[in-house]
Amino acid sequence: GAVVSQHPSRVICKSGTSVKIECRSLDFQATTMFWYRQFPKQSLMLMATSNEGSKATYEQGVEKDKFLINHASLTLSTLTVTSAHPEDSSFYICSARQPNQPQHFGDGTRLSIL
Amino acid sequence: AQSVTQLGSHVSVSEGALVLLRCNYSSSVPPYLFWYVQYPNQGLQLLLKYTSAATLVKGINGFEAEFKKSETSFHLTKPSAHMSDAAEYFCAVSGAPGGYQKVTFGIGTKLQVIP
Repeated sequence: GAVVSQHPSRVICKSGTSVKIECRSLDFQATTMFWYRQFPKQSLMLMATSNEGSKATYEQGVEKDKFLINHASLTLSTLTVTSAHPEDSSFYICSARQPNQPQHFGDGTRLSIL
Repeated sequence: AQSVTQLGSHVSVSEGALVLLRCNYSSSVPPYLFWYVQYPNQGLQLLLKYTSAATLVKGINGFEAEFKKSETSFHLTKPSAHMSDAAEYFCAVSGAPGGYQKVTFGIGTKLQVIP
């Protein structure tokens, strides 16, 4: 089946640093990638949708300057959390899909800001 | 607009017993419906999906779900629970056509299997 790789799986860093998370589709070309955030004991909240070669579409309430998304190729999207603070600590999950196919999810990144 | 309501944030069943996880949806267009499973500290794995074909959908690991338009429901069942089924399950809805675009997830149901 389709495989989506997300890296790193866990990050611990100091407040004020920027953190980059990568999402790769390993065996298919992903025309669309999605970034979600999941708080403890809650569902996934869509942060943004990115299509290859174009700007990401952010959901209401998500700061685009805080969460930079780049979808430079059909197999790679990155999420950069800029100047991270403790309230940004969360579980971030990406997904990717081909046209007319369901989303396939990465294994998530546990981000902890000290 | 679309939304999903999962009834019961925690469900406990004995090993070998029937698993029933409830999901009701709301959608202004014909929906695509999904069930995903999440194990601790992992992403989501697609269990099964409904895309307007057969109303009874069979998925992986012995799970199945039935789409009932009159009840706006898409409950997930498995005849006999296994210890490895302990996980969190998310019901999700997406609006057709192009029904795999924006997916709205329910809050999740944590399934506990008691030996």
